[in-house]
Amino acid sequence: QSALTQPASVSGSPGQSITISCTGTSSDVGGYKYVSWYQQHPGKAPKVMIYEVSNRPSGVSDRFSGSKSGNTASLTISGLQAEDEADYYCISYTSTTSQPGLFGTGTKVTVL
Amino acid sequence: EVQLLESGGGLVQAGGSLRLSCTAPGFTLSTYAMGWVRQAPGKGLEWVSVISASGGHTFYADSVRGRFTISRDDYTNTLYLQMNSLRAEDTAVHYCAKLTRQWLVDHWGQGTPVTVSS
Repeated sequence: QSALTQPASVSGSPGQSITISCTGTSSDVGGYKYVSWYQQHPGKAPKVMIYEVSNRPSGVSDRFSGSKSGNTASLTISGLQAEDEADYYCISYTSTTSQPGLFGTGTKVTVL
Repeated sequence: EVQLLESGGGLVQAGGSLRLSCTAPGFTLSTYAMGWVRQAPGKGLEWVSVISASGGHTFYADSVRGRFTISRDDYTNTLYLQMNSLRAEDTAVHYCAKLTRQWLVDHWGQGTPVTVSS
């Protein structure tokens, strides 16, 4: 199965808000509430930032929020900070039998 | 706190084998689906293999099917990935992952690097 589509890069200035999109189909993103987002700094393991479309794990800043409309999920970072510069990946449940979640292609966030 | 501790990565020649291990102090691996995800240098995240909580269902990426085997030892609470006939394109950091019921990753290990020289 194909990966979910994300923009290759998104940038913003400190204090601004940015949004990263994650586009799939009705068989994955559009059909279920199971979308997660991961943040990955260089040389580090990914970290869960959002699960089940819009839920934040304990300890994740409330500057991170998730939403979904149709076949596209979105991650919004408000009040952008230098430490937010990282790669971000989405993942979605898929209805394909015995197939793990579909990863997104990844987005590099740059803080200008 | 969920901890996943990988080991077993290293440098190997093409055609060789490696066995990755993942231990989980503090929780029982067999309660959850578990998997391996890899990331080649400069690339995105890619599923390698998954084993269901019951152990009765497995998934392999097309690129590794027939060469890699995922398994679990419930006595030692250890997850394994046996990697045979390694190729240069298997070079990647390999992450152990704990999965949700929907087979999404909710906890990641720190990763172990595998380098295959041709």
